[in-house]
Formats: sequence, C-alpha cells, structure tokens
Amino acid sequence: GAGVSQSPRYKVAKRGQDVALRCDPISGHVSLFWYQQALGQGPEFLTYFQNEAQLDKSGLPSDRFFAERPEGSVSTLKIQRTQQEDSAVYLCASSLFDGGYSNQPQHFGDGTRLSIL
Amino acid sequence: AQTVTQSQPEMSVQEAETVTLSCTYDTSESDYYLFWYKQPPSRQMILVIRQEAYKQQNATENRFSVNFQKAAKSFSLKISDSQLGDAAMYFCAYRSKNRDDKIIFGKGTRLHILP
Repeated sequence: GAGVSQSPRYKVAKRGQDVALRCDPISGHVSLFWYQQALGQGPEFLTYFQNEAQLDKSGLPSDRFFAERPEGSVSTLKIQRTQQEDSAVYLCASSLFDGGYSNQPQHFGDGTRLSIL
Repeated sequence: AQTVTQSQPEMSVQEAETVTLSCTYDTSESDYYLFWYKQPPSRQMILVIRQEAYKQQNATENRFSVNFQKAAKSFSLKISDSQLGDAAMYFCAYRSKNRDDKIIFGKGTRLHILP
C-alpha cells in the first residue's frame, strides 16, 4: 500500500518568504508527527496531531512555525518569514492509534529538504 | 527529560565483518521502547530493530541484534556479515510507552562499508 507521502521533495526559498510543506499520511492513521532534521543531526520533534487535534506543539521553535490538519488527514507545516536556520529536512510520520501506548510503529515519509537562501 | 547519546559520529567496517554501534540513553521511566533506525541517502527512516524495556531478551532481526543493558542504560547495535547496502546513517532512538509519544533520536552514526 501507499506510504507516507511528502511534497515537495525539495524546496528553495529566499529568506523572508513563507513556505508550506505537505504531508499525506497513510490512510486510516490517526497519529501524525512532524520532525525537523538539521544537516548531520538526528530528527527533532516539532508537533503531534491526533486526528485534527494538535495535542503537542512543544517542539515548534518559534511562532513563525505553524501546523494544521483540518480534516484529520493531510497536514501542512507552514513557516513564515523564513530564516537561514530553518534550512533542514522536514520529516512527517504517521501511525495507527492504540489508545496511547505507543505500540504502533511510526511510518516516515521521505521528507522535504528546505533550503533558505 | 529523556536523552539519547551516540558517541561515534562515524564508523567503518570491512564487508562481511561485524560492527557494533554504541548508544546510551537517560530516562527516569521504567517502561519504554528503544529503536535503531537506518537512514540511507534517500532520507527515508527505516526501522531496523525495536526493543521493549521490560523484555530482558535482546531483540534480533536477521543480521542485526542488540545488546540491551537496562541498568547501564546502554543499547548497542551489532551488524553481522556487513553488506554494502548497510552503509547509511544509523540513529538510536527512544519512545515513552505510556502515551502516544514522539520519538527522541540520537545524533546518529554514519556507517561506511569497505569493499
């Protein structure tokens, strides 16, 4: 079956521009996570959705970062007034929900590589 | 807060040999999951192996096995009979068990396979 799909695969933007990154989770997956992976580093958590509810946004680095999942399926991560330090790979992961015991594996997309010039 | 530490930024191993990647972590929780993920240049995160903290038996998946030392908070990955396709970044990771929680990753170890 289809995996987690992210688009675009690459995005180049000038400093100060707004960008929007899309994540299509696996059909039926309730849980959706966004991670930011800087060059040469491990992924770091940004935010978590359960259906359309954003239950944890503690990892968002600033108020320039905004995520939504209005219908509980596709999610968009938006970055306003981009800065060079926003350059990174943005990974999306989805999973089934098992009542909150983290027993379901997270399935990752291939990520969007964002470069801010 | 939980942390994951990988102290080997890069490692190399001869094809067909065995290599061990190290990982330590810190947590005050008693029940959790530990993972090793592989990330090739394609960027996709591939789950290699998973260990449940309450299980004393070390997890194995074909050529991949772990040495889980709960008291020492150590979780190393052993790759036997290394193959060229094993070349990638390897991330050690932690996840709390009692809630639908994020994964906490280490900084990774880049593994080179020498032909």
